Order: sequence, then C-alpha cells, then structure tokens
Amino acid sequence: ETGVTQTPRHLVMGMTNKKSLKCEQHLGHNAMYWYKQSAKKPLELMFVYSLEERVENNSVPSRFSPECPNSSHLFLHLHTLQPEDSALYLCASSPQGRAEAFFGQGTRLTVV
Amino acid sequence: QKEVEQDPGPLSVPEGAIVSLNCTYSNSAFQYFMWYRQYSRKGPELLMYTYSSGNKEDGRFTAQVDKSSKYISLFIRDSQPSDSATYLCAMTFNTNAGKSTFGDGTTLTVKP
Repeated sequence: ETGVTQTPRHLVMGMTNKKSLKCEQHLGHNAMYWYKQSAKKPLELMFVYSLEERVENNSVPSRFSPECPNSSHLFLHLHTLQPEDSALYLCASSPQGRAEAFFGQGTRLTVV
Repeated sequence: QKEVEQDPGPLSVPEGAIVSLNCTYSNSAFQYFMWYRQYSRKGPELLMYTYSSGNKEDGRFTAQVDKSSKYISLFIRDSQPSDSATYLCAMTFNTNAGKSTFGDGTTLTVKP
C-alpha cells in the first residue's frame, strides 16, 4: 500500500463511452499528477496539479479532462477515446519541494 | 536523441548475482536522481533517491551518480527472485517531481 489509491484497477470502454478515473492520496502531499504508461515507452506526464491548481498540461488531447477538487483527490474524465489511448494510467503525488513521486497502482485502460 | 537512455534489457541473472542497471543522460542540469521499481501490474515505487554525484547505499541496493560522465547506476547485491521487476531511472533539475524525465525501464528476472 503506497498511500495513493486508484480506482478502478481495470477499465474497458467503447470509443463513445464516458468514464472517469479516480485517485486519492492520504499522504498530505500537495502536488498530484497523471501519467500515461504505454508498452515500451517511458512514462508520459499528462497533467500536474499543485495546491489544487493545474500548473502543467503537456499537450494532452482534450478527450482527457482532469479535475482536482481538493488536495487529496484527483480525477481523469475520459470521453470519445481512441484505441491508441489504451494504456496504464498512473496517478502520483509528491510533497512540496521534493523530487520523488509516490505512485498509485494504476488503472489498466482498454479502449475497444 | 532521448534525454535519458536506459539499458534496454531484459536482464536475466541467477539468484545471488550482482546486478548493475544503468542510465545515461544528456542534460547536465539534472540534479536529482531516482530509481523506481515496478512489479508486474503495479505502479512504480521509489527505491532510491540521490542528489548530485556520489553513492548512496540502502541494504542490498547502491545508487551511484557520476555527473561528470552523465551516468547513473543501480547495483543490487545478492539478488533475490523477489527483485524481479522493471527498474526505471528518473531525474529532474529541481525539487519538482512533475518535472522528472524517466528512462524506458529495464526488466530484470532473477532465477532461483
């Protein structure tokens, strides 16, 4: 148990569906992140929230929409995804002023 | 050219062997260096964290940073089957985990 919990662990969705990924951390961290991990590719940073404000968006398609209602919760809303969006989506958090990240277990997403 | 190049592997060793995992990088501004371990179907977990050049030891693990050569290594002594995982190097130039650049990962299998 890392202190960062992601739900669901697995998700299969059609290209016309709308779904949301949830992340929760109880580590007292004030920065949270969404990463995408595809086979044979390095981790790709998607979104960064610091003190609940989005501070970075690495040119992610608009079919991915993040939401950070408070410092403990992070969501990734998904709509009209493509099969190439199938991947492991990882949430992470970090304390202020630290370089290391603490990851959740990930959501394995399959788009059919 | 990638900013961070990691030995691709996969790597297979007998139990008890000394393992060396390596990354090179091109950005001399990197100051913080991390190693993450990722078991199959899990999120990455922080294994080692070092700042600037030098060695850091934690049990059977030693992280080594050579900034002059832009080269980092993770050594595992007396490797165990439970060390079988994918190892990711990561580095950043400031205390902002969201700015980390990750290697592709090296998959290690330790055979009993």
